[in-house]
Amino acid sequence: AQSVTQLGSHVSVSEGALVLLRCNYSSSVPPYLFWYVQYPNQGLQLLLKYTTGATLVKGINGFEAEFKKSETSFHLTKPSAHMSDAAEYFCAVSGPGSSSASKIIFGSGTRLSIRP
Amino acid sequence: DVKVTQSSRYLVKRTGEKVFLECVQDMDHENMFWYRQDPGLGLRLIYFSYDVKMKEKGDIPEGYSVSREKKERFSLILESASTNQTSMYLCASRRTSGGPYEQYFGPGTRLTVT
Repeated sequence: AQSVTQLGSHVSVSEGALVLLRCNYSSSVPPYLFWYVQYPNQGLQLLLKYTTGATLVKGINGFEAEFKKSETSFHLTKPSAHMSDAAEYFCAVSGPGSSSASKIIFGSGTRLSIRP
Repeated sequence: DVKVTQSSRYLVKRTGEKVFLECVQDMDHENMFWYRQDPGLGLRLIYFSYDVKMKEKGDIPEGYSVSREKKERFSLILESASTNQTSMYLCASRRTSGGPYEQYFGPGTRLTVT
């Protein structure tokens, strides 16, 4: 069975500061990992994904995440926060393939606030 | 660009009404999903469809049913709406051939049952 844990339901940083959103997963098969962002009253938008290959993944809006198999982590970072980054962020995991075993499992989300 | 559309952004219904939420995707994706999103609970899967006329229960199917008669359309039905079904409903689709298997989401329908 797969699961995702996002540490911290709410993170607040100052504008220009480092953003770090934590995600740990469990999976019995090599996972696919995703970060999504949700702005108020909108659907989820893909930020970045890890499938295979390079473990440091770059996404949109200056975000990146590193897959660390030994730590079962996929933390999301951005060097310098902007006010426009204020949103809710979801980490998700799935296995490869198209069977029901590859359903995407979402974490409970982390709300990111940016202080001026 | 992949587009997933949902029939309504906001919907207000009365207790006991039958409610239809429609979702359409334009990328010929095999898989489609319905989630509900509530504060502090994240996304919870209601139903999942592998392909046309194929469906599987998710984590919280009680009080809901689905229909997928055409590949591009996936409907969520609340047989008899109740106040505890007040929520944000999100539809998503995903292709299964060739990967990389991310989901594409619609804008959501905020349903209020009074």
